[in-house]
Amino acid sequence: KQEVTQIPAALSVPEGENLVLNCSFTDSAIYNLQWFRQDPGKGLTSLLLIQSSQREQTSGRLNASLDKSSGRSTLYIAASQPGDSATYLCAVEDSNYQLIWGAGTKLIIKP
Amino acid sequence: ETGVTQSPTHLIKTRGQQVTLRCSSQSGHNTVSWYQQALGQGPQFIFQYYREEENGRGNFPPRFSGLQFPNYSSELNVNALELDDSALYLCASSLAPDTQYFGPGTRLTVL
Repeated sequence: KQEVTQIPAALSVPEGENLVLNCSFTDSAIYNLQWFRQDPGKGLTSLLLIQSSQREQTSGRLNASLDKSSGRSTLYIAASQPGDSATYLCAVEDSNYQLIWGAGTKLIIKP
Repeated sequence: ETGVTQSPTHLIKTRGQQVTLRCSSQSGHNTVSWYQQALGQGPQFIFQYYREEENGRGNFPPRFSGLQFPNYSSELNVNALELDDSALYLCASSLAPDTQYFGPGTRLTVL
């Protein structure tokens, strides 16, 4: 059974710092891995999607990497801003097109 | 804006009642997935519909049921509500097997 873990559960850093969020999964048979952002009380916004054959994806200040063999992904945020404050969730999509989620990392960027 | 809408935004019910949540898919999408997100946790997969047929189900009891209509909009029905059913319910539409686009969610409170 696929399990997804995100560490740390919460992170608080000063504005301007670069930071890394971690996601690990137990079964390497994934279709893709996605990173989402969730603002308080809101739905989910897709940030990056990495296909199982890819190693990384970049969008602006965000870079996500995928190492399927070790069951790990990282989300790198460069030059953090207060507007980046949110909960970041990773999810793996299995061969049945079902998403299995981590519990998220709550990120606070202090001005 | 993803083009996926959900109604109602908020809902309060009492134990034992029944509830219907609605989701309008993004135009052209033939797949809809429903997720339950308890406070402080990642979403849990409830089920998925593809072209009006159930196409996968998570670990939820039969009192959670769904429908997908010819226009690909969808309903989630929950019978005999329990306190633990209090959560944010998210739907996501996609043109399988592409990226899922999430609606803003329905916040259900069971008293």
